[in-house]
Amino acid sequence: DTAVSQTPKYLVTQMGNDKSIKCEQNLGHDTMYWYKQDSKKFLKIMFSYNNKELIINETVPNRFSPKSPDKAHLNLHINSLELGDSAVYFCASSQTPRAYEQYFGPGTRLTVT
Amino acid sequence: AQSVTQLGSHVSVSEGALVLLRCNYSSSVPPYLFWYVQYPNQGLQLLLKYTTGATLVKGINGFEAEFKKSETSFHLTKPSAHMSDAAEYFCAVSDRDTDKLIFGTGTRLQVFP
Repeated sequence: DTAVSQTPKYLVTQMGNDKSIKCEQNLGHDTMYWYKQDSKKFLKIMFSYNNKELIINETVPNRFSPKSPDKAHLNLHINSLELGDSAVYFCASSQTPRAYEQYFGPGTRLTVT
Repeated sequence: AQSVTQLGSHVSVSEGALVLLRCNYSSSVPPYLFWYVQYPNQGLQLLLKYTTGATLVKGINGFEAEFKKSETSFHLTKPSAHMSDAAEYFCAVSDRDTDKLIFGTGTRLQVFP
């Protein structure tokens, strides 16, 4: 029974397109996150939501827009995709913002051509 | 701001040899500390964590780590490496000022037969 799931697993698209990645957790956690992992494996937090409310918003281009319809779901929409957006995007969740122990999804590998 | 340093981006050991992956953090207040493992094309999986109490913590797959406040370290060890241990390992530290989990740059462990 998957705890944190993401769809799609792979996404290949052209520059200028708009795409979305979906994330769902069935752990009953209050807090969800989006991370970007670059080609050197460096993990950078992008956003965090607690009970549908945005609590962390890093310096990310405003082409990236997260949306949390309920506390079990956190989606990421990306407008006008650029080559530099190619990366693996991970969703994660934690019980509360200060629980710190985070559970990660399998990742979505985005390739922009 | 909190930071974490992983010494050695690549570590190679023979099967059956001791594994030692190094992690140092910068904080005057003892943080929560974590080790995550990432197998190829997968998400991050929690190996072990230190919050409070006993400074030697045991995790999954025979790994353990010791919190040493005087050295601001949280090194990961395993007495005998197995081929299946080959993966990327990330040390992470809680930042209570920002409610973020700060990740190190990762160490790739290779295990040779």
